[in-house]
Amino acid sequence: DTGVSQDPRHKITKRGQNVTFRCDPISEHNRLYWYRQTLGQGPEFLTYFQNEAQLEKSRLLSDRFSAERPKGSFSTLEIQRTEQGDSAMYLCASSFSRNTGELFFGEGSRLTVL
Amino acid sequence: GEDVEQSLFLSVREGDSSVINCTYTDSSSTYLYWYKQEPGAGLQLLTYIFSNMDMKQDQRLTVLLNKKDKHLSLRIADTQTGDSAIYFCAERSGGGNKLTFGTGTQLKVEL
Repeated sequence: DTGVSQDPRHKITKRGQNVTFRCDPISEHNRLYWYRQTLGQGPEFLTYFQNEAQLEKSRLLSDRFSAERPKGSFSTLEIQRTEQGDSAMYLCASSFSRNTGELFFGEGSRLTVL
Repeated sequence: GEDVEQSLFLSVREGDSSVINCTYTDSSSTYLYWYKQEPGAGLQLLTYIFSNMDMKQDQRLTVLLNKKDKHLSLRIADTQTGDSAIYFCAERSGGGNKLTFGTGTQLKVEL
């Protein structure tokens, strides 16, 4: 499968714990995006990378959230000191900067904070 | 600012046509997209349209764009039970690199 892959698919954690999600984009794509989706809502933009550079961050990305893409390939999204309001589906997407801008999404990582 | 709105629900009978509507506010949008999401899954790109076009057809899908009214629609011909899902429209604003999504329209196809 050469699509976008995310790991883990599901994570249940207790409030106050740290969690980390990983995303492996489509190999030839240089842009990588993180979105958050809560029940009944559309995906909300969190941040995006072009190669290893983090070029834009949403106001939704509080200081408890950090994302990295150290070698311009896979990316991690870490949430520190999780809160119940962090419960959501975290979606990763990738794209190639020279195409028409469509994003290709992974299956998502569902976080439940108890 | 960017804002994308959709109606929440649509119910159709199998074999009928479905029309899902979307309005957006950013007049500098360059591309507009339609995505499909099945339960528990990620988003699947269905089609997109460039802002200088007013129609695009792709098999059972027809996209209509009224740039003056900032209105986008997706028509699905001969709707099947497998089309039951949530459909999101999204816009890419001029100069921006991220997509802004609507709240989604849940399509239910009844026998």
